Amino acid sequence: GENVEQHPSTLSVQEGDSAVIKCTYSDSASNYFPWYKQELGKGPQLIIDIRSNVGEKKDQRIAVTLNKTAKHFSLHITETQPEDSAVYFCAPGMNTGFQKLVFGTGTRLLVSP
Amino acid sequence: NAGVTQTPKFQVLKTGQSMTLQCAQDMNHEYMSWYRQDPGMGLRLIHYSVGAGITDQGEVPNGYNVSRSTTEDFPLRLLSAAPSQTSVYFCASSSEVGTQYFGPGTRLLVL
Repeated sequence: GENVEQHPSTLSVQEGDSAVIKCTYSDSASNYFPWYKQELGKGPQLIIDIRSNVGEKKDQRIAVTLNKTAKHFSLHITETQPEDSAVYFCAPGMNTGFQKLVFGTGTRLLVSP
Repeated sequence: NAGVTQTPKFQVLKTGQSMTLQCAQDMNHEYMSWYRQDPGMGLRLIHYSVGAGITDQGEVPNGYNVSRSTTEDFPLRLLSAAPSQTSVYFCASSSEVGTQYFGPGTRLLVL
């Protein structure tokens, strides 16, 4: 089965700095690479995703980059704001019908004003 | 649209008791799923359904039953609760090639 590792487990930055979270996976058949944000007491929410035929995708301050050869993908947040503070999960999987995702263990991001 | 709703928000059970966690969605999604979230372990898939009448096991199905009689509802049953089932449970729904939308979760404590 898929083995997913996420680093770092915690990340503290100053407001305005950039944050990068890396996710490595083991199943070379994975072709769908999402990132979820979970705020305290809430369910995870998709913030950005990428499919295996694309190397990079950007949405305003958030970007995801994919290296299929090395089997890792990263979340980049620029100009961080206090409201970016949350736990972020990667969840690589197969985008065929039902997305059977395997979640990483999460990264707690703290953005200090 | 309410999206994905879950009830109850909190529940305390004694070992051996049974209960059903409710999940409903109003987005007409074909796919629904249940995850559990334990500290430091991310979310793990318990059971999922690709349509009414069709269910399958995920990564950690033991001790849980599901059924899908309608498109909207996907209840999760614990027949005989154990302390190891203390967790936060999330239900999610998605369309065939779309985003998974998660509910707000149910916090379960088994004593």
